[in-house]
Amino acid sequence: RKEVEQDPGPFNVPEGATVAFNCTYSNSASQSFFWYRQDCRKEPKLLMSVYSSGNEDGRFTAQLNRASQYISLLIRDSKLSDSATYLCVVLRGMDSSYKLIFGSGTRLLVRP
Amino acid sequence: DTGVSQDPRHKITKRGQNVTFRCDPISEHNRLYWYRQTLGQGPEFLTYFQNEAQLEKSRLLSDRFSAERPKGSFSTLEIQRTEQGDSAMYLCASSSDWTGGDVTLHFGNGTRLTVT
Repeated sequence: RKEVEQDPGPFNVPEGATVAFNCTYSNSASQSFFWYRQDCRKEPKLLMSVYSSGNEDGRFTAQLNRASQYISLLIRDSKLSDSATYLCVVLRGMDSSYKLIFGSGTRLLVRP
Repeated sequence: DTGVSQDPRHKITKRGQNVTFRCDPISEHNRLYWYRQTLGQGPEFLTYFQNEAQLEKSRLLSDRFSAERPKGSFSTLEIQRTEQGDSAMYLCASSSDWTGGDVTLHFGNGTRLTVT
């Protein structure tokens, strides 16, 4: 079983739709959580951090449920430019040794 | 451009040959990471450095793989006796010291390796 699991999709939605992605992680020692975005043939880039109380950045809302070890990303009013792969990422480590563990990603296609 | 740079962008090699990739991180970043990504998968952690010290290596990193960061600046990743299964995108990323709370990884464009 992978440490970070995501539905690979693709999610194919019309412009303006609301879409939600889910992610589960297996290591309860995971300390911080993020969503990264990766465009086709490009490098991953940080989209947003995920805080315990939930957080919003414009059309994007992230939620964390530590008890269920579950993270979500909600995108409202989808734009064509939102088409990309969304990577769920957890930070874990101890002492000075930390690393980010990536899920396989969920692909989103927004159609006109 | 002060981002992370990787060289070469593409490398095609024959099975059994050795290859070396270079990564130049953002200059003020003391943490440097190597990841490998194959089609349809997320980046898989290979190894990381804090300054010149290699602090962790993944079990994915067989004896054929070696990474260095001799002066705590640029890093090299060498693969000896390449195999077709080594074909992937090799991504380098850097970050600042996380004590300030910013754990953002800044990735380079990657080196795409094809082993024929």
